[in-house]
Amino acid sequence: NAGVTQTPKFQVLKTGQSMTLQCAQDMNHNSMYWYRQDPGMGLRLIYYSASEGTTDKGEVPNGYNVSRLNKREFSLRLESAAPSQTSVYFCASSVTGEVSPLHFGNGTRLTVT
Amino acid sequence: GESVGLHLPTLSVQEGDNSIINCAYSNSASDYFIWYKQESGKGPQFIIDIRSNMDKRQGQRVTVLLNKTVKHLSLQIAATQPGDSAVYFCAECRNKAAGNKLTFGGGTRVLVKP
Repeated sequence: NAGVTQTPKFQVLKTGQSMTLQCAQDMNHNSMYWYRQDPGMGLRLIYYSASEGTTDKGEVPNGYNVSRLNKREFSLRLESAAPSQTSVYFCASSVTGEVSPLHFGNGTRLTVT
Repeated sequence: GESVGLHLPTLSVQEGDNSIINCAYSNSASDYFIWYKQESGKGPQFIIDIRSNMDKRQGQRVTVLLNKTVKHLSLQIAATQPGDSAVYFCAECRNKAAGNKLTFGGGTRVLVKP
């Protein structure tokens, strides 16, 4: 039982390049989330998916797109990376129906030069 | 516990002493609160949660206190150990009707001195 798995762990991109961050969970959770964490700051919500087939914007969605591929997988895409997107990206999942803790992966550290 | 940009508030604690980490929240409608621990290079790890109909909840070596009157949340760690060194985040659920979305504070770094 791995929990929430994120790939890759590290990535360096040049400005303008694109990439997709992958996330999968094996806890049978309906809800999944993408957060970014910048140095010395808390986590900010980029996008979330309350259930398979639905996605909604969070606090900082600009420059990102998401796909809820199935119940297990939720990917985050950067179409044209910018230095301001240098950050650590965390995927999380939770049950749906009542407020409950989010379970986080170990993050993808992204640097855009 | 609110965001202070690049400089996290730091709490230095002697091993064996108790730690108290504080967090202020702004939305009186928030009805669910969580504390997370984050070690270097890892994702946030759930510690304990509390709903707004409670003012205290205890776990193993941890206690969360909620004061709704002044919108204040605290995490108490008993007999702090070296393994407790980490950054601690409080989070609140501000709008339960909009889903299980958490808003995080800026974090507090706890350093345990041997």
